[in-house]
Amino acid sequence: GEDVEQSLFLSVREGDSSVINCTYTDSSSTYLYWYKQEPGAGLQLLTYIFSNMDMKQDQRLTVLLNKKDKHLSLRIADTQTGDSAIYFCAESDRDSGKTPLVFGKGTRLSVIA
Amino acid sequence: NAGVTQTPKFRILKIGQSMTLQCTQDMNHNYMYWYRQDPGMGLKLIYYSVGAGITDKGEVPNGYNVSRSTTEDFPLRLELAAPSQTSVYFCASSSGRQNTEAFFGQGTRLTVV
Repeated sequence: GEDVEQSLFLSVREGDSSVINCTYTDSSSTYLYWYKQEPGAGLQLLTYIFSNMDMKQDQRLTVLLNKKDKHLSLRIADTQTGDSAIYFCAESDRDSGKTPLVFGKGTRLSVIA
Repeated sequence: NAGVTQTPKFRILKIGQSMTLQCTQDMNHNYMYWYRQDPGMGLKLIYYSVGAGITDKGEVPNGYNVSRSTTEDFPLRLELAAPSQTSVYFCASSSGRQNTEAFFGQGTRLTVV
C-alpha cells in the first residue's frame, strides 16, 4: 500500500530557514500536499503541488518535488515562532479515483526565539 | 463560515459503552472522511463517503460504523468502546474535484477507560 515517511522533529532558530522532508512510495500519486496542525486544532492546507511540477513557491513557502526519487520538501523562509506546529505531508491519487489522502506521521517544527 | 463542525470536542467513555461522533459540513461537499490521530502518528483513514448513501472502508474501520443519509452529515458510531479507540478523531470534507482542499474539523478527543 501507499506509504508516506517524514522525520518526526525539526528545531530551528527564528529567522532561519526550515526544510521539512517527505518521501512517498506511490508512483501514481498525482497531488502532494503539506498540511499544518497547530496545537489543539485540525489540519489546515498550506500548499499542494501537482506531480508534473517540480517547484512551487507561495510567499515564504517553497515546495520542491523530485518525482524520480519520490521526495517532497517544504522550505519555510524566515521562520517565525508562529510557524511552530506539526507539518504533515500527504498524497492522493485522484486520477485513479482514490480520493482519500494518505498522511505521513508529521514533523514537529519547534522555532527557538 | 462554519465549515466542518464536530461534536463533542471531548468525551470520556467506559469500556463497552457506545457513542456517536457527529460531523456536519455546510459547504455542500460530496466527499467526507473520518480519520483518527494517535500520538506521534499520522492520520489513519477510518471510513469515507463520496456522496449521500455511499460509504466505504478506509485503513482502520474495525470497531466503527458510519452512515451518510444527507450530504451535510457523516456521523461515526462506536458500538462497544475499547481502550484502543482512545484517540483524536477528525472529520474532513472536500468537493472531490482534483486538487481541491480537504477541510478539517477541530477534532474530538476521545478517552476510553
